[in-house]
Amino acid sequence: GQSLEQPSEVTAVEGAIVQINCTYQTSGFYGLSWYQQHDGGAPTFLSYNALDGLEETGRFSSFLSRSDSYGYLLLQELQMKDSASYFCAVDSSYKLIFGSGTRLLVRP
Amino acid sequence: KAGVTQTPRYLIKTRGQQVTLSCSPISGHRSVSWYQQTPGQGLQFLFEYFSETQRNKGNFPGRFSGRQFSNSRSEMNVSTLELGDSALYLCASSVPDENTGELFFGEGSRLTVL
Repeated sequence: GQSLEQPSEVTAVEGAIVQINCTYQTSGFYGLSWYQQHDGGAPTFLSYNALDGLEETGRFSSFLSRSDSYGYLLLQELQMKDSASYFCAVDSSYKLIFGSGTRLLVRP
Repeated sequence: KAGVTQTPRYLIKTRGQQVTLSCSPISGHRSVSWYQQTPGQGLQFLFEYFSETQRNKGNFPGRFSGRQFSNSRSEMNVSTLELGDSALYLCASSVPDENTGELFFGEGSRLTVL
C-alpha cells in the first residue's frame, strides 16, 4: 500500500520558524512535493525534491531523505498569510499521492 | 496564460443522479489528473489521463469514470450519486514526463449530494 503521515495541526507565532514533517511508504518513488492550500482555494505548488538534501525557495525550504522515507517543509519568518493547509505528496507512477495535510495556524 | 478551468464551480444533485464535471487544462499541458477532496481529508487520487489514455486510476468504485479529448480537455462522470460523494473535485494539469512534481490545480467543482 501507499501511505503518507504528517501532523494534522501545527500552531506557531508570527516571525517564528516551523517544520512540517512527512513520512511516506510507497512503491514507485520519484520525488516529494509540497503544496499549500488556503481555505476555499486551490492547492498551489511550493517545492519538489527528487534527490536527498535541502531545496530553498525564499522563506520556504524542503528536505528529503530517501533512505529514511522522510521529508520536511521548513517555513521561516512566518507571516499571518502562511496560515493554510500544507500537503506533502509522493510523485509515483503517473500520479501524486497526497498526505492528509497539516493545518498551520500562525498567531500574532 | 490562462489557468486550469473547471466547470461548473458549484452544483447540487440528489442521490441516484449522475453528474459530469469538466476541466480545461493550461494550454500545452497534456496530462490531466482528477482528485477528490473532502473535509479533513487529503486529496484522493481518482485518475490521470495523457493523450486520451488513462494511465493510472485510484481506488474508487466504477461509478467514477473519466475521459480526455484530443484537445486535452477532460471530463469526469459520477453515476448513481451517493451522499458520500459530496466533495470538492479538483482537476490538475501538468507537462508530462518532466518529473517536477508540479501540478497546476483548478479552483474545483464543489458537489453537494442531497
